Amino acid sequence: AQSVTQPDIHITVSEGASLELRCNYSYGATPYLFWYVQSPGQGLQLLLKYFSGDTLVQGIKGFEAEFKRSQSSFNLRKPSVHWSDAAEYFCAVGVSGGGADGLTFGKGTHLIIQP
Amino acid sequence: NAGVMQNPRHLVRRRGQEARLRCSPMKGHSHVYWYRQLPEEGLKFMVYLQKENIIDESGMPKERFSAEFPKEGPSILRIQQVVRGDSAAYFCASSPLTGRDQPQHFGDGTRLSIL
Repeated sequence: AQSVTQPDIHITVSEGASLELRCNYSYGATPYLFWYVQSPGQGLQLLLKYFSGDTLVQGIKGFEAEFKRSQSSFNLRKPSVHWSDAAEYFCAVGVSGGGADGLTFGKGTHLIIQP
Repeated sequence: NAGVMQNPRHLVRRRGQEARLRCSPMKGHSHVYWYRQLPEEGLKFMVYLQKENIIDESGMPKERFSAEFPKEGPSILRIQQVVRGDSAAYFCASSPLTGRDQPQHFGDGTRLSIL
């Protein structure tokens, strides 16, 4: 069975600084990988996804993520964070592209932005 | 441009009562997924349904929980004889009929509180 680990429960970053959120997965084949963001009291919004092809994927809101098969990682990055980026971030893995099975989520990383 | 609609947003029940959570998928989507999010946790997959069919219920508790997605109307997640441990946020997601590479789109969730 697949699993996802997000090692950092909380991360604090100054506004304007760069950001990297870590995600490691465990799955026997090539996974489908996702990053979602959740604001307080809200549902999850898809930031980006990796299915195949270019291992560096661009998402919304200036986020990007890089799939590294050798490290079983899919870390999320942003060159300069804004106060509005404060939220909970979830990495998820799917057996298919998401349209045919349930996703497995990590426990999330809570991002705090310092002024 | 309606997304995934869940209602109610908040639901309070006393122990032993029944809870019914509703989910209307995005227009054109016929795959529905239910997830549960406990405090400080990621989302856990519960069940995957298509119209009139349960495809995967491997994440559903064996007792008291049931789900349906009828030919007409929303998907319903039903919890009978609720207990304190059922307090959580329940999220619904949907994806299109075609395309295994289609990501899931999430609703804003139902926050269930058990008194």
